[in-house]
Amino acid sequence: EAGVTQFPSHSVIEKGQTVTLRCDPISGHDNLYWYRRVMGKEIKFLLHFVKESKQDESGMPNNRFLAERTGGTYSTLKVQPAELEDSGVYFCASSQVLGNGNTIYFGEGSWLTVV
Amino acid sequence: AQRVTQPEKLLSVFKGAPVELKCNYSYSGSPELFWYVQYSRQRLQLLLRHISRESIKGFTADLNKGETSFHLKKPFAQEEDSAMYYCAHEHNAGNMLTFGGGTRLMVKP
Repeated sequence: EAGVTQFPSHSVIEKGQTVTLRCDPISGHDNLYWYRRVMGKEIKFLLHFVKESKQDESGMPNNRFLAERTGGTYSTLKVQPAELEDSGVYFCASSQVLGNGNTIYFGEGSWLTVV
Repeated sequence: AQRVTQPEKLLSVFKGAPVELKCNYSYSGSPELFWYVQYSRQRLQLLLRHISRESIKGFTADLNKGETSFHLKKPFAQEEDSAMYYCAHEHNAGNMLTFGGGTRLMVKP
C-alpha cells in the first residue's frame, strides 16, 4: 500500500512567485493534515481536513496560504505570493480515524526554498 | 502557553550506552503524548504513544504527571537508533499535533 505522497519533493522559487504543493493521502483516509517546519523552528500544524471540509485551519499563518481538498481525495497547498520566511519543509499527513487508536502517517515532505 | 519542550537539540552517545531523550509538556489534565522518529532520508513516523505503554525497538517512555515529563529511554543504544526524535502532544483526540523542537540522537560506534 502506498504511503502519503507529496509533490514536488523540492522547489526553489523567487520571492513573489506562486507555488502549489500537492499531497495524496493514503487511500481511504478521511483525515488530512498539513504541517510545516521553517528553519530553526518546531514542526507546526497548519490545518486539518476531514474529507473535503476544513476541520481546523487555526495554524494557517496568513491569507497568502490557501489549502484545498476538492472531492475529499488529494489536497493542495498554494502559497501566493511566496515570501522568504515561507522557506522550509511542508509535511502532509493522513489518518483513517480520530480518537485514541489514531495513527497519523506522514509524507516525506516538500522542501520549499524562496530566494 | 501550552507547549512541548525538548531541551536538547543534540545528544551524542556511544553504542551500548544508555540514552534518555527529554521531553516536558505544559498541558493540564491527561495529555496524549507521542514520540515520533525520523531516520535519515525517511519520513516522520510514530515510534510510540504513552497510552499503549509499549516498548518499540527497545525504547520506552513513561508519563510522569508530577514532573510533566515524557522522557524517551533505551538502556543500550544502537547505531541504527541515530535519528531525529520528536516529542508531540495530540489535541482533540486525533486532531492537531504540537511538536517539540526535536532532538538529534547520534550513536557513535
